[in-house]
Amino acid sequence: QVQLVESGGGVVQPGRSLRLSCAASGFTFRTYGMHWVRQAPGKGLEWVAVIWYDGSNKYYADSVRGRFTISRDNSKNTLYLQMNSLRAEDTAVYYCATDPDDYFDYWGQGTLVTVSS
Amino acid sequence: QSVLTQPPSASGTPGQRVTVSCSGSSSNIGSNTVNWYQQLPGTAPKLLIYSNHQRPSGVPDRFSGSKSGTSASLAISGLQSEDEADYYCATWDDSLNVWVFGGGTKLTVL
Repeated sequence: QVQLVESGGGVVQPGRSLRLSCAASGFTFRTYGMHWVRQAPGKGLEWVAVIWYDGSNKYYADSVRGRFTISRDNSKNTLYLQMNSLRAEDTAVYYCATDPDDYFDYWGQGTLVTVSS
Repeated sequence: QSVLTQPPSASGTPGQRVTVSCSGSSSNIGSNTVNWYQQLPGTAPKLLIYSNHQRPSGVPDRFSGSKSGTSASLAISGLQSEDEADYYCATWDDSLNVWVFGGGTKLTVL
């Protein structure tokens, strides 16, 4: 069965960096696009970034472009999100999700990132 | 302010049919397929409808989706208490080059 397990969340000070990971299993990771989606406490879903199956294309939300970098290691079945220059408004649960054909199919359980001094 | 507009709340009694609307523009819903997600309290979102009207395996046929022009709708028939959740629409926006979500609709089963 498909499993996505996010890790790397925690409490971080504004301006610092954090790297999230999403370990995938149960499907052919290298053939799927992958997304990061976040949800601030009590708020709705916000798309963050997408990376194509082979890493050849990446797109970002305006709110994170230039600060966040999505990447993947298909040999390790792992998706990453490098988050730099973190702000209070980046506080959220971060989910990774698979993309077989222009939709978010399977989702992980999420990892909480709290940006606070 | 979300690019896609959903009503913040909806409600119905058990057995009723309810619909949730999602309004966009020519650059998003008007050009691309719409997907719907269900988020039960305290859990991760789950894919409910993809490509406007397709149901993933395991999703009851009580849930249906449709799209017309720059709007989409999610219909839930035979409402059940376990349908109480937040529902989100999403699609790609060709002008912004980003994925966009609706603000979400909180469905209450009375």
